Amino acid sequence: AQSVSQHNHHVILSEAASLELGCNYSYGGTVNLFWYVQYPGQHLQLLLKYFSGDPLVKGIKGFEAEFIKSKFSFNLRKPSVQWSDTAEYFCAVNRGSKNDMRFGAGTRLTVKP
Amino acid sequence: EAGVTQSPTHLIKTRGQQATLRCSPISGHTSVYWYQQALGLGLQFLLWYDEGEERNRGNFPPRFSGRQFPNYSSELNVNALELEDSALYLCASSFRIYSSNQPQHFGDGTRLSIL
Repeated sequence: AQSVSQHNHHVILSEAASLELGCNYSYGGTVNLFWYVQYPGQHLQLLLKYFSGDPLVKGIKGFEAEFIKSKFSFNLRKPSVQWSDTAEYFCAVNRGSKNDMRFGAGTRLTVKP
Repeated sequence: EAGVTQSPTHLIKTRGQQATLRCSPISGHTSVYWYQQALGLGLQFLLWYDEGEERNRGNFPPRFSGRQFPNYSSELNVNALELEDSALYLCASSFRIYSSNQPQHFGDGTRLSIL
C-alpha cells in the first residue's frame, strides 16, 4: 500500500534558522507530490507541487522542495524561517487515475521569535 | 474567489445516529473529495466524486457514503455512528482534467463528535 512518511513530528527552530522537513513515499512509478501547510486556525493551503520537469520546485513564502526520485523523497526547505511560519506541514502523494491522495502524518513547526 | 465551504462547523451526535455533512466546491471545480482526520491517524482519504459519480473510495465501511449534486456540491453521510467516527471531516475540490496532478483546495472542515 502506498505510504507517506514524515520523519519529524515536531520541529522547534529560532527565527532565521534554516529548515528542512523530510518526506519519503513508497510508491513506484510516476507520482504527483505536494506540500500543504496549515496555519493555526486556518484550513490546509497548498505550499508547492511537483508533477514533472525541474526536480527543484519553488512555492509560496520562500519555500522550496526537491524531488529525488532515486530516494523516493520530496523534502521541504526554507533558508531562513520566520515566526509566521509556525504551522503544521503535510506532505502528500497522488498517483494515477484513482485520486486517492495519501498524506503524511504532518510535522508541527514552532518558530521561536 | 470563494473557497471550499463546509457546513456545519461542528456536529454532535450519539452512537447509532446518522450524520450529514455538506460541502460546496470552488466555482469551476467538478471534483470533490472527502477526508477524515482522526486524532493520531492523520488525513485519510474517504471518497472522490466527479460529475455526480463516485469515482473512488478509501478503506472505509459502506456506512460512509455520499453523493454529488448537479451543482457539484456534495454531502457525506455517515450511518450507524460509532464513537471512533469522531473526527474532523475535510472536504476538498479540484479541477478534473488530469486530476491526479491538480492540487486540491480544502475547506475548514466539520468536527463530528460522537457522544
